[in-house]
Amino acid sequence: NAGVTQTPKFRILKIGQSMTLQCAQDMNHNYMYWYRQDPGMGLKLIYYSVGAGITDKGEVPNGYNVSRSTTEDFPLRLELAAPSQTSVYFCASRTGQQNYGYTFGSGTRLTVV
Amino acid sequence: QKEVEQNSGPLSVPEGAIASLNCTYSDRGSQSFFWYRQYSGKSPELIMFIYSNGDKEDGRFTAQLNKASQYVSLLIRDSQPSDSATYLCAVNIDSGYSTLTFGKGTMLLVSP
Repeated sequence: NAGVTQTPKFRILKIGQSMTLQCAQDMNHNYMYWYRQDPGMGLKLIYYSVGAGITDKGEVPNGYNVSRSTTEDFPLRLELAAPSQTSVYFCASRTGQQNYGYTFGSGTRLTVV
Repeated sequence: QKEVEQNSGPLSVPEGAIASLNCTYSDRGSQSFFWYRQYSGKSPELIMFIYSNGDKEDGRFTAQLNKASQYVSLLIRDSQPSDSATYLCAVNIDSGYSTLTFGKGTMLLVSP
């Protein structure tokens, strides 16, 4: 069981470039999430999905887009990268049962220069 | 803004001592509470969850919840150097209970 797989692990982007952060889970979880973590700032929710075809904005969605065409995959798209998007990005998933926490991927460290 | 607050630390304890980590939350409607451990450069790892008032024990870890006072705490007994990490408190705040709001985390340092 791979759990939650994120690619790439590291990436350097130039200002204005675009990229997609990949996230896949093999646990048949309906709920999937994207968070970003800045030093000393905790985890901030970017977007989430409660099932295939359903997505919703979190606390900090500006500059990002998502899609959820399958249960397994939840890619995060960065358009026109800016230095403020330099962060560590975590994808997570969970079952539909409320009292189960998230399983996190290993993260993507993104630097925008 | 619904918030989860934690003391950033670092909290320093000697090996073998009890470490006490605290978290307060602003939304009285919150139902589920989670503690994650995050080692430097790694992803968060779930260690405890609690949803009823009182204590919940799992090995060396005890989570305590007091909904009236809106705080949740994590006790680590017989602390080990390997417990040195940042501990994140997370709370189901939204009405649909779909998402977790995280505190900024408390760094714990256990000295040999």
